[in-house]
Amino acid sequence: QQPVQSPQAVILREGEDAVINCSSSKALYSVHWYRQKHGEAPVFLMILLKGGEQKGHEKISASFNEKKQQSSLYLTASQLSYSGTYFCGTHGSSNTGKLIFGQGTTLQVKP
Amino acid sequence: EPEVTQTPSHQVTQMGQEVILRCVPISNHLYFYWYRQILGQKVEFLVSFYNNEISEKSEIFDDQFSVERPDGSNFTLKIRSTKLEDSAMYFCASSLAGGQPGELFFGEGSRLTVL
Repeated sequence: QQPVQSPQAVILREGEDAVINCSSSKALYSVHWYRQKHGEAPVFLMILLKGGEQKGHEKISASFNEKKQQSSLYLTASQLSYSGTYFCGTHGSSNTGKLIFGQGTTLQVKP
Repeated sequence: EPEVTQTPSHQVTQMGQEVILRCVPISNHLYFYWYRQILGQKVEFLVSFYNNEISEKSEIFDDQFSVERPDGSNFTLKIRSTKLEDSAMYFCASSLAGGQPGELFFGEGSRLTVL
């Protein structure tokens, strides 16, 4: 079942912060975050594992609350290069590695 | 840096024609996937492939679709009789491990336009 992301779109000024949320109605094994720029392939940002482990990537970090079946992506001091569509992808208990992606959150960072 | 490569980058075809999209996954990866993305929409799972067989497929992946790994390096997606609604960007992806939460490496995509 598809995870649900919120908000659908965010517009920021450079240097501002944003939070993107991802929630699932099913038990999660892990959560992936990807960023896709217009006309390009999705690019991996990070994986969040069971246990609420936080992972970081430059000024982008994320958390995973397995009880609530939610993950949040935190973008601090946003840069123009952060613009794009962010997708969370969730693993269930499947061993196939299949990711089901949310509908995406479009982030636009303006100067 | 190793990468997933896809050909063609863009294909235009007539409705009812067969299309084959090709992918070369990263050489030591074990799991292969096809996803599609209709313009402006989310990335949808089509099929996963491991050990020379389909391990999982979505409802979208009906009898018109097939995948194979004919020679140990290429991974192909065939659409037997294309429909207008098959127009989309098709992404191939591979990962080193599937049971472990492995990162998916995506190719640049093949844009399919069905007229």
